[in-house]
Amino acid sequence: EAQVTQNPRYLITVTGKKLTVTCSQNMNHEYMSWYRQDPGLGLRQIYYSMNVEVTDKGDVPEGYKVSRKEKRNFPLILESPSPNQTSLYFCASSHTGGTRRYEQYFGPGTRLTVT
Amino acid sequence: SQQGEEDPQALSIQEGENATMNCSYKTSINNLQWYRQNSGRGLVHLILIRSNEREKHSGRLRVTLDTSKKSSSLLITASRAADTASYFCATDGRMDSSYKLIFGSGTRLLVRP
Repeated sequence: EAQVTQNPRYLITVTGKKLTVTCSQNMNHEYMSWYRQDPGLGLRQIYYSMNVEVTDKGDVPEGYKVSRKEKRNFPLILESPSPNQTSLYFCASSHTGGTRRYEQYFGPGTRLTVT
Repeated sequence: SQQGEEDPQALSIQEGENATMNCSYKTSINNLQWYRQNSGRGLVHLILIRSNEREKHSGRLRVTLDTSKKSSSLLITASRAADTASYFCATDGRMDSSYKLIFGSGTRLLVRP
């Protein structure tokens, strides 16, 4: 089954404790992206990657890091989480060619609480 | 700043009625997409319309795009209870990558059985 998986789905942590949220897709997509969703603000893009070893900042990259060492994986790293990073996080992917490029497939989400 | 703004923020209709949601955006675009999100879950792509298209259909969905007014509408015909969800428009910026999407804050649709 074609899918984007994220782990963990739920995470409660404390300020300053480094964490990684993993994202993996099995569709051989070149493009991957991370978003955060907050009430009243919609989805905001954190980082995106057009292919392996190619990453770029979205609209709200501060406090986050990403890496793209393999095509299928795109982990989101919070080196020193703070309470304002409490949010619902989504990973997404898509092809960069063909008739269905630009159409993004989303993971199920990771609900992060930083206390 | 947000590119897309949906209107209304919330919509409640009876099953079988049509639902119309609107999206306005600020800058020129290459494409506009609509996504659906069931409560707390991942978004699902519904339809993409290119800037040179005016109307597009997919099953019970009809999307229109008016680039002169920088607006789009999503019409769901003969709505069902299963259509209850939040609906988001997503735009790219013509000068940016078409993969760099900006989402609006969404319309919450409730379809009453």
